[in-house]
Amino acid sequence: GNSVTQMEGPVTLSEEAFLTINCTYTATGYPSLFWYVQYPGEGLQLLLKATKADDKGSNKGFEATYRKETTSFHLEKGSVQVSDSAVYFCALNDLTGGGNKLTFGTGTQLKVEL
Amino acid sequence: SAVISQKPSRDICQRGTSLTIQCQVDSQVTMMFWYRQQPGQSLTLIATANQGSEATYESGFVIDKFPISRPNLTFSTLTVSNMSPEDSSIYLCSVTDLYTEAFFGQGTRLTVV
Repeated sequence: GNSVTQMEGPVTLSEEAFLTINCTYTATGYPSLFWYVQYPGEGLQLLLKATKADDKGSNKGFEATYRKETTSFHLEKGSVQVSDSAVYFCALNDLTGGGNKLTFGTGTQLKVEL
Repeated sequence: SAVISQKPSRDICQRGTSLTIQCQVDSQVTMMFWYRQQPGQSLTLIATANQGSEATYESGFVIDKFPISRPNLTFSTLTVSNMSPEDSSIYLCSVTDLYTEAFFGQGTRLTVV
């Protein structure tokens, strides 16, 4: 079946540091890939997505590229801010059976300090 | 996009009782999804709720424990029945649009004592 593996947290960085959160996946077919963010006390929000190989999703300074050859979708940001502190989830969709279910990674907590 | 309202936002319940969680969407959607997020863990899909048919449950989840209603295209409920402390989780309602983006409610934080 489908699965998503992402690096364990928490990840603690100083403000303006470079961020990478690794995500790899296993899937049949050609899923779309997503990064969701969950800020403290809030629900999940879509951060960015990519629907096919070599697509780059970007939003709020975050980027991730759909790499089919390495089955990866690593999240990067050049300069993090304290306000980026949140839990980040990598996910893929499963369109088999006519459905549209998401399979999530375990989440990576990011803490950004001054 | 879709705006999802979920109620209640949190509750503390006695073991052995049941809680019904409501999910209201501001537009008509074919498929709604219910997820569980246990403390410190990722989201796990409980079931897919289609209007006019029985919900489809994922492995490890059964209708007797998590009955779901889907009376129309904008509303669904999930009931957590005969609760135990192991049911303490955040329960999330979700819908997807034509382009596969998923939208989530704020979640219901359930504590069973």
